[in-house]
Amino acid sequence: ETGVTQSPTHLIKTRGQQVTLRCSSQSGHNTVSWYQQALGQGPQFIFQYYREEENGRGNFPPRFSGLQFPNYSSELNVNALELDDSALYLCASSLERQGGQYFGPGTRLTVT
Amino acid sequence: KNEVEQSPQNLTAQEGEFITINCSYSVGISALHWLQQHPGGGIVSLFMLSSGKKKHGRLIATINIQEKHSSLHITASHPRDSAVYICAVSPNTGNQFYFGTGTSLTVIP
Repeated sequence: ETGVTQSPTHLIKTRGQQVTLRCSSQSGHNTVSWYQQALGQGPQFIFQYYREEENGRGNFPPRFSGLQFPNYSSELNVNALELDDSALYLCASSLERQGGQYFGPGTRLTVT
Repeated sequence: KNEVEQSPQNLTAQEGEFITINCSYSVGISALHWLQQHPGGGIVSLFMLSSGKKKHGRLIATINIQEKHSSLHITASHPRDSAVYICAVSPNTGNQFYFGTGTSLTVIP
């Protein structure tokens, strides 16, 4: 158990809808990174939040956005869902930006 | 070209066998991570290495910084070791975490 939790565990949405995924970081960790893992692929970096500010972004369109709250928990928002957004979404928290990452169990999103 | 390459992609072993998974990377790193992912599940961090060798139970991870290479060894493998093992690196610059595509291990009783 890493202390990183994600909700919901599973989610089914329709194309065009919007979704919000949540992540609670390990106690004391100020950095949260989000990853998308398509079936059979390695995780792809979406973005990282450090002390409530975005601290780097991977190759994802603007309809992927995020927030980090004062307690360092985080949200990933995806607008205008597409079928290809179906994936496992992982968050990982770390103490500082380059620290060891502790992964949550993931949220499996299915877009139909 | 991927920044992190793993081999083999798939591995099947008999229970009790010694297993080695290899990882090569092309960027300067501050740390290398070995991760485990069970089917449909989240990711568990096994090791974080910046030099030398670490051991935890039947798992051993080594890294050679000069050669940009790491290995994960499993001694006396067991069916519950069946999972995908992922190598990932924290680069010296930037904040992106680079992942290998994983090695799918199946241990047969």
